[in-house]
Amino acid sequence: NSKVIQTPRYLVKGQGQKAKMRCIPEKGHPVVFWYQQNKNNEFKFLINFQNQEVLQQIDMTEKRFSAECPSNSPCSLEIQSSEAGDSALYLCASSLTGGSSYEQYFGPGTRLTVL
Amino acid sequence: QQKVQQSPESLSVPEGGMASLNCTSSDRNFQYFWWYRQHSGEGPKALMSIFSDGDKKEGRFTAHLNKASLHVSLHIRDSQPSDSALYFCAASANYNQGKLIFGQGTKLSIKP
Repeated sequence: NSKVIQTPRYLVKGQGQKAKMRCIPEKGHPVVFWYQQNKNNEFKFLINFQNQEVLQQIDMTEKRFSAECPSNSPCSLEIQSSEAGDSALYLCASSLTGGSSYEQYFGPGTRLTVL
Repeated sequence: QQKVQQSPESLSVPEGGMASLNCTSSDRNFQYFWWYRQHSGEGPKALMSIFSDGDKKEGRFTAHLNKASLHVSLHIRDSQPSDSALYFCAASANYNQGKLIFGQGTKLSIKP
């Protein structure tokens, strides 16, 4: 069965280092979401794409966060200069459309630890 | 700020019993409600969606929505040990372009 693939599963970085994680959405799903789940299980929406275009994004935390979904390549989320507060589970989800009535299929996440 | 509040924070139910989880939203623009389940080490997986007032049943799971009170609930009958997980209520509005607002979760433990 097709599913959302996220790599790496675990990522350990020092403060100030770059952290990059990737996501391959379900086959045929043009919409991709990124969420951050912190240690208290609180979810924060980061950004979503339809094909290569950004649909909506938060104010990407002082511009340290960037994301892209290039054609024919995995989507990626990058933190330019990691901080301890960025330690969290980063979840990628994909969907058939950007509409709110469509299910989002989540990957297993990339667990980032910033030392 | 859009918010979704869940209760209880944690719940322990004997195997075969009924588990009831609750969720209240703060935004009347929320029209789409989802229940997601997350087992340890995995991403969330959608259990059910409910968009209209009333009950929706899928197997052992029943969701109930009351838009007037902005309240949604999930009832699990004949609970199994495999139902032990984190359960999240999530809501979305038409203008959100699919963005989900999650509650803080309920940790459900099923005791054999």
